[in-house]
Parts: sequence; structure tokens; C-alpha cells
Amino acid sequence: EAGVAQSPRYKIIEKRQSVAFWCNPISGHATLYWYQQILGQGPKLLIQFQNNGVVDDSQLPKDRFSAERLKGVDSTLKIQPAKLEDSAVYLCASSPGGADTQYFGPGTRLTVL
Amino acid sequence: RKEVEQDPGPFNVPEGATVAFNCTYSNSASQSFFWYRQDCRKEPKLLMSVYSSGNEDGRFTAQLNRASQYISLLIRDSKLSDSATYLCVAEGWGKFQFGAGTQVVVTP
Repeated sequence: EAGVAQSPRYKIIEKRQSVAFWCNPISGHATLYWYQQILGQGPKLLIQFQNNGVVDDSQLPKDRFSAERLKGVDSTLKIQPAKLEDSAVYLCASSPGGADTQYFGPGTRLTVL
Repeated sequence: RKEVEQDPGPFNVPEGATVAFNCTYSNSASQSFFWYRQDCRKEPKLLMSVYSSGNEDGRFTAQLNRASQYISLLIRDSKLSDSATYLCVAEGWGKFQFGAGTQVVVTP
């Protein structure tokens, strides 16, 4: 079974630039999560989708971050404009349902200069 | 106060020894608990779910203490390959809270 796919794996940008990340969850998984993991910290939930609807985006900095999951399958997370403090690993995870085990993708390591 | 707290470590463990560490959670409504393992510069991977009665998977044993709101992980006969960061997760109403992780270093 294919796992969660993410791209790109690495991205380096300058502050105030824009960046987008892509995630393709495990086939059939209804729930998709985007997490931000800063070095030395645990993953912090940014947004959770159930199919193509948003379940929780309470910790998403909406002035600069946006995410969508059109058609309830793959998803994109965008940052515009990026700040230095956005340097982190952005992890995508999926699960069959809301409280089930999550499976993580390899992450995108973002460096903002 | 963080919802899920862990001792960051590192726990330095001789190969073959036993190590145990806890994780406390603040939300008494949390319903499910998990331990994830995260290797350096890798994604978290599920190690085991934690059940009310406690559960064991090979050398790993997880316990849940709802009264004191903590879960524990014990690793017996530590292997070099057990060196990693162990993330504690509490779930309630479909919302997952991750701890910052406990680092374990197994030494020869």
C-alpha cells in the first residue's frame, strides 16, 4: 500500500516569498492533517480536513497560511508571505477516520532566509 | 500549560537495559493515546496505541493511568536501534495533541 506522499521534500526561500506544499494521502483515507514541526518540538496541528471540509483550523495563521483539499483527496498548503519563524518541517498525515491512527508523510523541510 | 508534557531527556541507556518514561496530559476528556517514534529528520511512525488495560508489543509496554492522567512507555532489552525520540499523543473528540517528545539514546 502506498504511503502518504509529499512534495517537495526540501524548499529554501527568502522571507516575504510564497511557497506551496502538496500532499497525497493514503487511498481511501477521509481525514487529512497538516502539521508544523519546529526543531525540538512536537508536531503542531495547523489544519484538519474530513473529506473536503475543514474540521479544525484553529491554529492556522490565516493571515498568511491557507490550505485546501479539493475533491477530498490531495491537499495543498500555502504560505504567503513567509516569515523567518516559518522555518520548520511541514508534515502531512492521513487516517481512515477522525480518531484513527495517523500515518505521516516524509515531510517538507522549509528554510526561510 | 501544555496539553501533553514529556521529559525531553535524553535518557542514556546501556544496550540491554530497561528504560521507562512518562507523559502527562491535561485534558481529562482525552479518549485515546498513542506512542509514536520519530527518528532524526524522519516522520513520526506509530509505535503503539495505549489501551486502558495496558498493552505490550514485544519489548515495549505501554500503560495508561487515567486517575493521574499519565501514560508510560517501557522498553526492555534496549537495542541500539531503539535510539529515537518518542512522541506521546492524546486524542479527544478527533483532536490530537502531541508532546514534544522524549529522546532515548541507547549506547553500546
